[in-house]
Amino acid sequence: GENVEQHPSTLSVQEGDSAVIKCTYSDSASNYFPWYKQELGKRPQLIIDIRSNVGEKKDQRIAVTLNKTAKHFSLHITETQPEDSAVYFCAANGNQFYFGTGTSLTVIP
Amino acid sequence: NAGVTQTPKFQVLKTGQSMTLQCAQDMNHEYMSWYRQDPGMGLRLIHYSVGAGITDQGEVPNGYNVSRSTTEDFPLRLLSAAPSQTSVYFCASSYRLFGGASYEQYFGPGTRLTVT
Repeated sequence: GENVEQHPSTLSVQEGDSAVIKCTYSDSASNYFPWYKQELGKRPQLIIDIRSNVGEKKDQRIAVTLNKTAKHFSLHITETQPEDSAVYFCAANGNQFYFGTGTSLTVIP
Repeated sequence: NAGVTQTPKFQVLKTGQSMTLQCAQDMNHEYMSWYRQDPGMGLRLIHYSVGAGITDQGEVPNGYNVSRSTTEDFPLRLLSAAPSQTSVYFCASSYRLFGGASYEQYFGPGTRLTVT
C-alpha cells in the first residue's frame, strides 16, 4: 500500500514570510495529491490539489509542486498571514486515501 | 446539497457499550470512508467503501464494523466501546477514488466521542 510521510511536524514563520511543507509517497500508481487545512475544532478542508500529469499548480498565495520521479510533492504558502495558522495535511490516493501526519503552522504577527 | 452529515456531534459512552455513528452524503459519491483523529496522529483510516455493498478495512479497523447498503449512508458501529476509542471521528466522501472527473474528498463535521 501507499505510505505518505510529511515534514516538518511543526513550523513557525513570521507574517509575510513563506512556508513550505513537504510530503513523500511510495506508490507510483498514486495520481492525485490533495492538501487539506484544518483549523482548531473544525473539519479538514481542501485548499489545493494536483494530479500526476501536472508539475505545478498555483492558486493565489498557495502553490503545490509535484516531482513524480522522486515521489514527492510540496505545499508553498507565500506572504503568510495569521489566518494561515492551522494544521495542514497532505494525502495521496492509492487503493484508498492516505494522509500525512500533519504540519502545525503558526504565523507570528 | 447538505454535503456530508454526521450524527451525533458529541457522545459519551461507558466501557462496553455499543453505538452507531451515522454518516450520510447527498452528492451521489461512490467512495466513503471513516477516519479517527487523535492528537499528533493525523487522520487514520478505519474503514472505507468504494460503492454500495463493498467495504474494506483501513489502517485501524479493530473494534469497528461498517456496512454500505445504500450509496448515501455509511454507518460506523462500535461493538464494545473501550477508552482507547476516545477520539474525533470524521466521515468523508468523494466521487470516486480513481478514474473520475473529481477526486475531491469532502469531510463531515465530525463526532467527538469519549469513552469512560
